[in-house]
Amino acid sequence: GAVVSQHPSWVICKSGTSVKIECRSLDFQATTMFWYRQFPKQSLMLMATSNEGSKATYEQGVEKDKFLINHASLTLSTLTVTSAHPEDSSFYICSAGGPAGYNEQFFGPGTRLTVL
Amino acid sequence: KQEVTQIPAALSVPEGENLVLNCSFTDSAIYNLQWFRQDPGKGLTSLLLIQSSQREQTSGRLNASLDKSSGRSTLYIAASQPGDSATYLCAVSQAGTALIFGKGTTLSVSS
Repeated sequence: GAVVSQHPSWVICKSGTSVKIECRSLDFQATTMFWYRQFPKQSLMLMATSNEGSKATYEQGVEKDKFLINHASLTLSTLTVTSAHPEDSSFYICSAGGPAGYNEQFFGPGTRLTVL
Repeated sequence: KQEVTQIPAALSVPEGENLVLNCSFTDSAIYNLQWFRQDPGKGLTSLLLIQSSQREQTSGRLNASLDKSSGRSTLYIAASQPGDSATYLCAVSQAGTALIFGKGTTLSVSS
């Protein structure tokens, strides 16, 4: 149980385009989902906290107009990277609070974004 | 601000050796601590979760301990195998927040 999926697993796009990444909790409902970013040989850094039915909370230094987060249902959160540039190339991972709350988080497999 | 540090950054051992990975955190007011494994280019696999009221958790050849007052956790891997080669991440959560990660320890086990 407590499986989280992400789609796509990798994407290559041209500079200036927008990319949408989906995060789904497959067998449980997640009121809260988190989006992380990981640069090569670095650790995961929290980008934003996504709450179902309300606006996301962004970490300092993360542009909310560039990284659009939508959490329209209890099983789906999306991250849209708008007007992507090469510096946005990274590994994006989502997590969802488990059935007992976000005391324990379950992570998706990640999405590798490469912007040319 | 909570900070998580993992030592060593990298570790190479021969197969069969027992090893210890270290994690320290600056704010002892944590909700829980998790150890994850990450293979190159892949997502995270949760290994062990220790609640703040617990001292240790065990799963197979893995044992994680937590000393909240001193801000330390260790992950003990017994009888290491080449398949254990990966990056091990330690992360803590505080009430109402997302996980805060260390930079990880990259383990290489040679056969």
